This record gives sequence, structure tokens and C-alpha cells, in this order.
Amino acid sequence: AQSVTQLGSHVSVSEGALVLLRCNYSSSVPPYLFWYVQYPNQGLQLLLKYTSAATLVKGINGFEAEFKKSETSFHLTKPSAHMSDAAEYFCDNSSASKIIFGSGTRLSIRP
Amino acid sequence: DAGITQSPRYKITETGRQVTLMCHQTWSHSYMFWYRQDLGHGLRLIYYSAAADITDKGEVPDGYVVSRSKTENFPLTLESATRSQTSVYFCASSERDTQYFGPGTRLTVL
Repeated sequence: AQSVTQLGSHVSVSEGALVLLRCNYSSSVPPYLFWYVQYPNQGLQLLLKYTSAATLVKGINGFEAEFKKSETSFHLTKPSAHMSDAAEYFCDNSSASKIIFGSGTRLSIRP
Repeated sequence: DAGITQSPRYKITETGRQVTLMCHQTWSHSYMFWYRQDLGHGLRLIYYSAAADITDKGEVPDGYVVSRSKTENFPLTLESATRSQTSVYFCASSERDTQYFGPGTRLTVL
């Protein structure tokens, strides 16, 4: 069955520190994987997407994610956190017939 | 303005009343979606539409009705609102794989 799991509902890092948000998926077909960001009182915006062209995907705002088939993971990273990165992040595992969002990870940034 | 809009942005209603949430997109995207967002549940798909006059159920369709007579509009109706339908509702559209989300409607059912 198709699914996506985000590990950690809340992650807190210091400004300038590495950001790592975890996403694991299961899919019987090659997955389409996405990361979206949601700022307070706004809708979701696409950060980046994996569609089998390259395993390391670069997105907006300095974020990137690596598709690891052996680990069924698509973790989101950013080398140096900025205060403006504070938001909720959603991993999405979609196919033509099914759309599955993770439950979200709230990222807090400590000054 | 181009993009995807939702109205109203905030709505308070009473149990048993009918409520319609509007969604409009200017891109002529084929696919449109309705989600609800609740704490601890993330986003859950209510209904989606692949084209005008084609709609299908998502994960949590009970208590909701949709229609899509025109490509650009995808209204969501709660025929008899219940307190459990208090939530933030997001509409989205897509042409291929990326979804574009509206700003959301915060609905409170008293």
C-alpha cells in the first residue's frame, strides 16, 4: 500500500544549524515525492519534487532532498537554518491514482 | 489576479446548516482537489476532480458534496454541517504533478 511517514512532529534547531526533516515512503510503483512548506495562515507551497530524473533534488530557499530507494527515504535538508525557515513541512507521495500527505513536521528555529 | 482563490476565508456556521466553500483557479488546470487540515492529521483528501464533470472521492468524503460544471470552479458543499467538520479547508489544482494550493478557508461549526 502507498504511504508516507514523517518522523518527528516537531523539530527545533538553532539558527545556522543543519536542518534535517525525515520522510519515509512505501510504494508499489516508482514514487513521485514532494516536499511542501506551509507558513502560518497560508496554503502549501512546493519546495521540491522527485520524479526519477535525479536522486538529489534541489529546491527553493536552499533546501534539498535525496531519494534513497534502498532506505525508502526522501529526507529534506538545509545546511544552515534561517529564522525565516520556521514553518510546517509536508512530505507527499503521490501517484496518478492516489495522493498521500505525511502528517507534517513543524520546524522551529532558535536564535 | 492569476492563481487559485478560495472564498470565504473565514466562516462560522451552526450545526445542520448548509455551507458552500468556493474555489476558483485561473490556470485552466485539469485537476482540482479539496483537503481538510486538522491538528494531528495533516492534510486529508476529501474529493478531487480530473476534469469538468468528473469527480471522485478521496480519503474522507462523507458529509461533503462537490461539483465541477466549469474547469475553473470546484465548490465544496457541506449539506448539513456537523461540529466534526470544523477545520481548515484547502483547495488545490494541478496539471501534471505539482499541486498549487489556495490560501484556505477556516470553517467553524458551532
